[in-house]
Amino acid sequence: DVKVTQSSRYLVKRTGEKVFLECVQDMDHENMFWYRQDPGLGLRLIYFSYDVKMKEKGDIPEGYSVSREKKERFSLILESASTNQTSMYLCASGGGEKLFFGSGTQLSVL
Amino acid sequence: GDSVTQMEGPVTLSEEAFLTINCTYTATGYPSLFWYVQYPGEGLQLLLKATKADDKGSNKGFEATYRKETTSFHLEKGSVQVSDSAVYFCALSDLSGTYKYIFGTGTRLKVLA
Repeated sequence: DVKVTQSSRYLVKRTGEKVFLECVQDMDHENMFWYRQDPGLGLRLIYFSYDVKMKEKGDIPEGYSVSREKKERFSLILESASTNQTSMYLCASGGGEKLFFGSGTQLSVL
Repeated sequence: GDSVTQMEGPVTLSEEAFLTINCTYTATGYPSLFWYVQYPGEGLQLLLKATKADDKGSNKGFEATYRKETTSFHLEKGSVQVSDSAVYFCALSDLSGTYKYIFGTGTRLKVLA
């Protein structure tokens, strides 16, 4: 089975902490994406990457950064976590007409 | 810019009832259209897709037809089961360059036995 694996299912952090969310895919996809999912707002694109070391801002990049040093790994970084970043974070990778999603990380910032 | 609008939920149906979840889109080009499903505790997975006007996508008894004249891609199923309870997302992508996707807000379906 193809897989997109997110490192944590649940995460609790304090305001001001630096937070790393990790995502690994085993399908050799060039494109990887980070979304956040909030009730009533659906999925909103934070950042995406179309190649190693290449990244582009999505619709809501403020307060986030990303890193893609290897093709299979795409990391989302919250430089200084805030309570309004409490959300479900979904990683995805895609090689054409289909996106494969991880199970998500529910992040709570207290 | 491009956008997707889908009906708000939750939608509650009895088993074997007919399901329709409405989805309309706005796009400057000729996007591909998708329905993704999210079961409890899981990520999204592709349910069906259509890549051009008048195409019909189908899977697991679900169907949706790409209607360019009405800019719609409504999801239908003739007889729902309890196991269909999930959140359904309509999405579009222009599939050019970076394969960016735009998702609707999701519609929660609850099917009662």
